[in-house]
Amino acid sequence: AQTVTQSQPEMSVQEAETVTLSCTYDTSESNYYLFWYKQPPSRQMILVIRQEAYKQQNATENRFSVNFQKAAKSFSLKISDSQLGDTAMYFCAFMKHEDYGQNFVFGPGTRLSVLP
Amino acid sequence: EAGVVQSPRYKIIEKKQPVAFWCNPISGHNTLYWYLQNLGQGPELLIRYENEEAVDDSQLPKDRFSAERLKGVDSTLKIQPAELGDSAVYLCASSLDSASGTYNEQFFGPGTRLTVL
Repeated sequence: AQTVTQSQPEMSVQEAETVTLSCTYDTSESNYYLFWYKQPPSRQMILVIRQEAYKQQNATENRFSVNFQKAAKSFSLKISDSQLGDTAMYFCAFMKHEDYGQNFVFGPGTRLSVLP
Repeated sequence: EAGVVQSPRYKIIEKKQPVAFWCNPISGHNTLYWYLQNLGQGPELLIRYENEEAVDDSQLPKDRFSAERLKGVDSTLKIQPAELGDSAVYLCASSLDSASGTYNEQFFGPGTRLTVL
């Protein structure tokens, strides 16, 4: 079974600074996806970024980038130029690349506070 | 385009009472998911529908939980009777065909926060 660990329950960062959220996972699969989701107080889960395991290049979406280390099973999220709107819970998630079903395994989350 | 719609947003009931949650997925999305999110944790899948067929309900506690998606569009999740430990957020998500072998993004609704007293 797959597991996802986020070792930082809470983090804070000053507005405009950079912050990195950590995630490690355990799997015997070779083909899979990794995700970072944001959940603001409105509770709606919003996809931040997605990484396919077979791609060596780290994914980037505007101010968000990842550091994907497949051998170490590590998948950290870097947020540059942090904004107040980035305040939210951030969940790391794993998904097997299988023919049927797209079932997530989520980590416990990291609560990020962006301070003015 | 409207997103995933869920109602109610909040529900407070006494234990042993029944409760139902409703979800309307994004138009054209034939895959629908119900997740349970306990406080301080990530969501966990309860059930996944492909059209009107429940294709993965292995995590659904069938003694008290039931779900239906009769016409393959909107869906209802029911708990009867509710227990104190059922207090949580119930999230619904939808995507295009999850059985296609290609990745299709899941879009989440705002969830229903259930409090059982």
